Amino acid sequence: AAGVIQSPRHLIKEKRETATLKCYPIPRHDTVYWYQQGPGQDPQFLISFYEKMQSDKGSIPDRFSAQQFSDYHSELNMSSLELGDSALYFCASSFLRGWNTEAFFGQGTRLTVV
Amino acid sequence: AQTVTQSQPEMSVQEAETVTLSCTYDTSESDYYLFWYKQPPSRQMILVIRQEAYKQQNATENRFSVNFQKAAKSFSLKISDSQLGDAAMYFCAYRSASNFGNEKLTFGTGTRLTIIP
Repeated sequence: AAGVIQSPRHLIKEKRETATLKCYPIPRHDTVYWYQQGPGQDPQFLISFYEKMQSDKGSIPDRFSAQQFSDYHSELNMSSLELGDSALYFCASSFLRGWNTEAFFGQGTRLTVV
Repeated sequence: AQTVTQSQPEMSVQEAETVTLSCTYDTSESDYYLFWYKQPPSRQMILVIRQEAYKQQNATENRFSVNFQKAAKSFSLKISDSQLGDAAMYFCAYRSASNFGNEKLTFGTGTRLTIIP
């Protein structure tokens, strides 16, 4: 069965650079969530999209932006990167129109800022 | 805002034995979902089990079962016949069911489970 695909799996950037993370949800899923997991931390919710519209927003820095495209894939854009942005970034998807309670997670993108 | 608390940073259990991981949560909502996720060294987030708050019956999935006490806001995970592959970080998570557009997961800080051969 198809899963949530995230790319790239690993990314190394320098301070003040820009990074773009991509997420391809499971086919037919209409909702995408982004989470940030720092070293030794629990995942923290950043932002979500339902049917290409932002549906909820968490502790996402102003330097970050995200969107969901017409094919339902989503991108998280991170600018002016800081050392503290080094983390594992998860994307998850679900099918809310089907009242599905389960969010399926991708394997994550490990971002290292040096 | 909802909070999820896991008071056991680390637990260990002998292979084939039973272990219980604790989770408490705080919410003013009456309708919600609770989950246990497993994160092995690969860092993949894997759903272990879920519980709907409106259901009185505790969820079970093979060797995994929960003890859901709604009044006490407690949601513990019991792993029976522990196996080496169960070694992982376990996160308890809460999701609202009250408001469409508020389906984010709120995680606890996790419990690292070690299986002793």
